Amino acid sequence: SYELTQPLSVSVALGQTARITCGGSNIGGKDVHWSQQRPGQAPVLVIYRDSNRPSGIPERFSGSNSGNTATLTISRAQAGDEADYYCQVWDSSTVVFGGGTKLTVL
Amino acid sequence: QVPLVESGGGVVQPGRSLRLSCAASGFTFSSYGMHWVRQAPGKGLEWVAVIWYDGNNKYYADSVKGRFTISRDNSKNTLYLQMNSLRAEDTAIYYCAKDHSTFGDSYFDYWGQGALVTVSS
Repeated sequence: SYELTQPLSVSVALGQTARITCGGSNIGGKDVHWSQQRPGQAPVLVIYRDSNRPSGIPERFSGSNSGNTATLTISRAQAGDEADYYCQVWDSSTVVFGGGTKLTVL
Repeated sequence: QVPLVESGGGVVQPGRSLRLSCAASGFTFSSYGMHWVRQAPGKGLEWVAVIWYDGNNKYYADSVKGRFTISRDNSKNTLYLQMNSLRAEDTAIYYCAKDHSTFGDSYFDYWGQGALVTVSS
């Protein structure tokens, strides 16, 4: 079965740029989607199809996908960006989630 | 907003059954694939099942295959998850989520707030 690998945690200084990776075999050939989950809340889509932002998501959020790694980039990080972030793909008639990355804004 | 409201969660003994419901509004329910996703306490997201817009195709995670059944009633704008032979490891918050596509093979553009299921004797 297909697997997605994310770092357990990423730290970023306030106002700096955070990058969260999602690794998978030839993931560049798949559509990757990213969700944000704040503590005690349901997930919210922040990036779809590698690099597209839903309405209402700040331009500070961007994504890329190539080779074996997809990346979620959060520019000018704010305290409100502290959350768990999950990548997701569709593979062989199933949904696969990465293990999630906890973003800490220092 | 696209409200998705789950109900039916609670405490259930191991081996027993429970049915979750997810009431949808604000969009043409019968046009979209729908999913169930769960999250065990302190853990990450785990996909459970998907059903196509017309209910004719369903796919499951290996961890629930043969025990859980996803279904939908498009006349009632409602998604269901029938959970049988429940185990302690099924304890989780269960979210219903709307897929962007008709077949459920895209991304989740809306999530419900979740229903807590606790399997314990």
